Amino acid sequence: DQQVKQNSPSLSVQEGRISILNCDYTNSMFDYFLWYKKYPAEGPTFLISISSIKDKNEDGRFTVFLNKSAKHLSLHIVPSQPGDSAVYFCAAYSGAGSYQLTFGKGTKLSVIP
Amino acid sequence: GAGVSQTPSNKVTEKGKYVELRCDPISGHTALYWYRQSLGQGPEFLIYFQGTGAADDSGLPNDRFFAVRPEGSVSTLKIQRTERGDSAVYLCASSAYLGTAKHNEQFFGPGTRLTVL
Repeated sequence: DQQVKQNSPSLSVQEGRISILNCDYTNSMFDYFLWYKKYPAEGPTFLISISSIKDKNEDGRFTVFLNKSAKHLSLHIVPSQPGDSAVYFCAAYSGAGSYQLTFGKGTKLSVIP
Repeated sequence: GAGVSQTPSNKVTEKGKYVELRCDPISGHTALYWYRQSLGQGPEFLIYFQGTGAADDSGLPNDRFFAVRPEGSVSTLKIQRTERGDSAVYLCASSAYLGTAKHNEQFFGPGTRLTVL
């Protein structure tokens, strides 16, 4: 039973355009969400996060949107760059002080020059 | 500064053998986590250490899996009588302990790719 779902295994975007990666969740106890980026042969690297009390968090080219009523979040990358090509994982915590991250299966983003 | 390191980077073993996977966390990080990432899946939680003790080992799939962190720094994940289904990338992460009021950012190592033939 996947509690964090990333339904698009892959996404291709032209350089300079917007990349939108989607994530849905089923567990209402999730209160903190993170996006991790992973290059081949490397571990996941933290990218951006959002608390459930917010609906948007922005960091440079990266913005995460949270729609709690729909149990949906999305990561926007604008403008997309070839170096953004990687696998992106959505992950969630349930409760302050929790330590167990629940991950989605990931979406492979390819940014075409 | 140095990040989380894991050794070996690759391990090939035969079914039924014993393996040990090592993790060196970021210096000063008291929390350490092991995850397993199977092909086409996201990382799945195995075990969490706070200091030397395993605070939560509920993710370990069965009693063939065991992990230790005797001095509160380096951790070893041990797998007995390996099976082909154990083949995966084993990821280690560490974090500073922020208490019960905040969420910890976990820093991941590159992983050990285990292949059981």
